[in-house]
Amino acid sequence: AQSVTQLDSHVSVSEGTPVLLRCNYSSSYSPSLFWYVQHPNKGLQLLLKYTSAATLVKGINGFEAEFKKSETSFHLTKPSAHMSDAAEYFCVVSSMNNFNKFYFGSGTKLNVKP
Amino acid sequence: SQTIHQWPATLVQPVGSPLSLECTVEGTSNPNLYWYRQAAGRGLQLLFYSVGIGQISSEVPQNLSASRPQDRQFILSSKKLLLSDSGFYLCAWSVPGSYGYTFGSGTRLTVV
Repeated sequence: AQSVTQLDSHVSVSEGTPVLLRCNYSSSYSPSLFWYVQHPNKGLQLLLKYTSAATLVKGINGFEAEFKKSETSFHLTKPSAHMSDAAEYFCVVSSMNNFNKFYFGSGTKLNVKP
Repeated sequence: SQTIHQWPATLVQPVGSPLSLECTVEGTSNPNLYWYRQAAGRGLQLLFYSVGIGQISSEVPQNLSASRPQDRQFILSSKKLLLSDSGFYLCAWSVPGSYGYTFGSGTRLTVV
């Protein structure tokens, strides 16, 4: 079985301060992990993915995430938030051994204050 | 190039009416195909997946069904829509054995 828990439903930061969005996963298969962003009334955009290579993954728009197997975590970070980062973020676990089915977390809404 | 087409973009349907959403993929053969739904204020949930023509697996019990009449065509249907069927429906595909994953642009369904 595979599942994802996003620990915060809402996160609020000030512009220019660091962002941390937390994600824990469970997987009985060798996992692939992803972060997607969704702006209001828009589709999903891939930020970054972990697929068993380097554990520190860099993505678009300055985001990065670190795969920690011992902690079953894949937290998303950004050193300095920008107003345009305000959106909803989804952590996803998948596995090629499980037909690449995606299991989404419930999402974290990021609010960026000026 | 590999593309995915999903239509319509928005749909308003009365309760009890039928539904047919179509998704087609170009530029690849024998993809895995998926239907996801995002209910208001929630994350996406896998509804169906298919690893080949005529092969459909359901992840959750519901009022919907899926079919794959051709290798690159995936259809989501309902005989009678419920209010709870409202949501954002996304089609996706992946190549077996690879990490690549592509989502369609989605259909926003409102059942009234």
